Amino acid sequence: KQEVTQIPAALSVPEGENLVLNCSFTDSAIYNLQWFRQDPGKGLTSLLLIQSSQREQTSGRLNASLDKSSGRSTLYIAASQPGDSATYLCAVRRGSYIPTFGRGTSLIVHP
Amino acid sequence: GAGVSQSPSNKVTEKGKDVELRCDPISGHTALYWYRQSLGQGLEFLIYFQGNSAPDKSGLPSDRFSAERTGGSVSTLTIQRTQQEDSAVYLCASIPFGSGPDEGYTFGSGTRLTVV
Repeated sequence: KQEVTQIPAALSVPEGENLVLNCSFTDSAIYNLQWFRQDPGKGLTSLLLIQSSQREQTSGRLNASLDKSSGRSTLYIAASQPGDSATYLCAVRRGSYIPTFGRGTSLIVHP
Repeated sequence: GAGVSQSPSNKVTEKGKDVELRCDPISGHTALYWYRQSLGQGLEFLIYFQGNSAPDKSGLPSDRFSAERTGGSVSTLTIQRTQQEDSAVYLCASIPFGSGPDEGYTFGSGTRLTVV
């Protein structure tokens, strides 16, 4: 059974810092890994998707890497801003199976 | 449609009443998932529809919960005799069934259910 763990569970940083959020998974037989952002009481917004054959994906200040063999992905946020405050979740997809989500990292960026 | 649409966005109901939550997935997305997220908690899987196959209902917490999907598109999640512990955000996601690793899940904006 796939298990997904996100560390840290919570993070509070001053504006401008570069951040690394971690996601680890136990079964490396994955199709892809997807990072989401969730604002309080809202739905999930997809940030980045990394296919199992890829090593990293970038979008603006966000960079996600994937090391399938070690079961790890990191989301790097450069020059954090207060608007980045949200919960960040990773999800692992394996074919048509039900995806497995981490519990998320709650991020607060204070001015 | 362009995205996954959920309605209503907010619902306040009295304990014991029945509620219906609606999800309209992206056109052509034959796989549809319902999740529940209680305050401060992670995503709890409820039910999964894939094409014309029987749905995977393994996550439904009790027989008060049911869901259907009409015509392989719109899905309705019904909660009967609501209880206060049913208060949560209910999320719907869709993806093309059988798609490759370049496809990811698209979520709706959720329905916040409050049982008073």
